[in-house]
Amino acid sequence: NAGVTQTPKFQVLKTGQSMTLQCAQDMNHEYMSWYRQDPGMGLRLIHYSVGAGITDQGEVPNGYNVSRSTTEDFPLRLLSAAPSQTSVYFCASSYSISSGVGGETQYFGPGTRLLVL
Amino acid sequence: KQEVTQIPAALSVPEGENLVLNCSFTDSAIYNLQWFRQDPGKGLTSLLLIQSSQREQTSGRLNASLDKSSGRSTLYIAASQPGDSATYLCAVKETSGSRLTFGEGTQLTVNP
Repeated sequence: NAGVTQTPKFQVLKTGQSMTLQCAQDMNHEYMSWYRQDPGMGLRLIHYSVGAGITDQGEVPNGYNVSRSTTEDFPLRLLSAAPSQTSVYFCASSYSISSGVGGETQYFGPGTRLLVL
Repeated sequence: KQEVTQIPAALSVPEGENLVLNCSFTDSAIYNLQWFRQDPGKGLTSLLLIQSSQREQTSGRLNASLDKSSGRSTLYIAASQPGDSATYLCAVKETSGSRLTFGEGTQLTVNP
């Protein structure tokens, strides 16, 4: 298993540009989520999905869109990048709440470092 | 709103020492608590997950305990090694949803 993969590893954008951060997992996990990690703020949840076709907002959703058309993929779209979106972005996945003990261990991808100028 | 605090923010110890990392949370109505390790420039690796009904979990030299009533968890690392140097984060999952709330982590340095 490749686990959770993220592309690109690093990206530089200009203010106002759009882009999509890719996330994929090959563990047949139902639950997927996006976090951003900032110094002094820790990890904050952006959006999450409990299954294909279902998404919901996290703590800091503004400026980001997600979709979940398949179990494997959960892309994060920045519609109009702003300097405040400079961060490290992590995708995570796990089995659903209903899958029982141990099924909720979160697996994280390696991260995407985004710089918005 | 759930808040998770980790003290200390940084810790430096000599190799071989036993050490304890602390995590506290404000709302005791949690579903589970996870400890993660993060190496510089890398993603998070899950170390231990404790369900709300459990008191502790062990994996090798690591032991995590949970006291829900006092809103505390500790991660005990026995016989520390330089390879244990990393940032350790705890995160709680709330009973009612799927979100994880993270602490800011403890940066551990184990000196040879």
